[in-house]
Amino acid sequence: EVQLVESGGGLVKPGGSLRLSCAASGFTFSSSTMNWIRQAPGKGLEWVSSISSRSDYIYYADSVKGRFTISRHNAKNSLYLEMNSLRAEDTAVYYCAREVSIFEVLSGFDYWGQGTLLTVSS
Amino acid sequence: EIVMTQSPATLSVSPGESVTFSCRASQTVLSNLAWYQQKPGQAPRLLIYRASTRATGIPDRFSGSGYGSQFTLTISSLQSEDFAVYYCQQYSNWPRTFGPGTKVDIK
Repeated sequence: EVQLVESGGGLVKPGGSLRLSCAASGFTFSSSTMNWIRQAPGKGLEWVSSISSRSDYIYYADSVKGRFTISRHNAKNSLYLEMNSLRAEDTAVYYCAREVSIFEVLSGFDYWGQGTLLTVSS
Repeated sequence: EIVMTQSPATLSVSPGESVTFSCRASQTVLSNLAWYQQKPGQAPRLLIYRASTRATGIPDRFSGSGYGSQFTLTISSLQSEDFAVYYCQQYSNWPRTFGPGTKVDIK
């Protein structure tokens, strides 16, 4: 059974830092492109960041570039998101998700975790 | 950045009816378009990828079509479990972008 379990969310003051983690199981994590996607309360989905299987390709949304860092540890089947200089507008549920590769073409996010809530407030 | 738009924002439908809604990209995404379903308190679920290919386990009442910049998702004979928010998403370019969603609720 595929599982993605996020952890590390919580309440942080503006300007603070936090690290999210995502533990993966049930699929070949080391071969998968992984992503963080967030959803502010009552709002739509916003892609945040992506990291290729060997960490050689990393992308960020402009809204988090320079403040967030995505990383992974394939031996631990884990994905991370280091978040600094947090702002109120970063408040959201953060999902980790796999971007499936079909015939070597990335083709959408097929596995999602249940999400972890980050609240940035004083 | 490719901007995705969806219409309508909300659809009120009776169970058993069919529904079609639209997604438009600000520039061509070829067939690099996915659809997701999200129910309250749940993570999104991949329904369709490559504009028209159903993901594993998705019932055949869900169908997608389109190419380039205009796409549609059709749900034939809506079931009670289909009332949800539907998002389109392009994966042609970085950053990946989602549409704002179409909410399908019960009439």
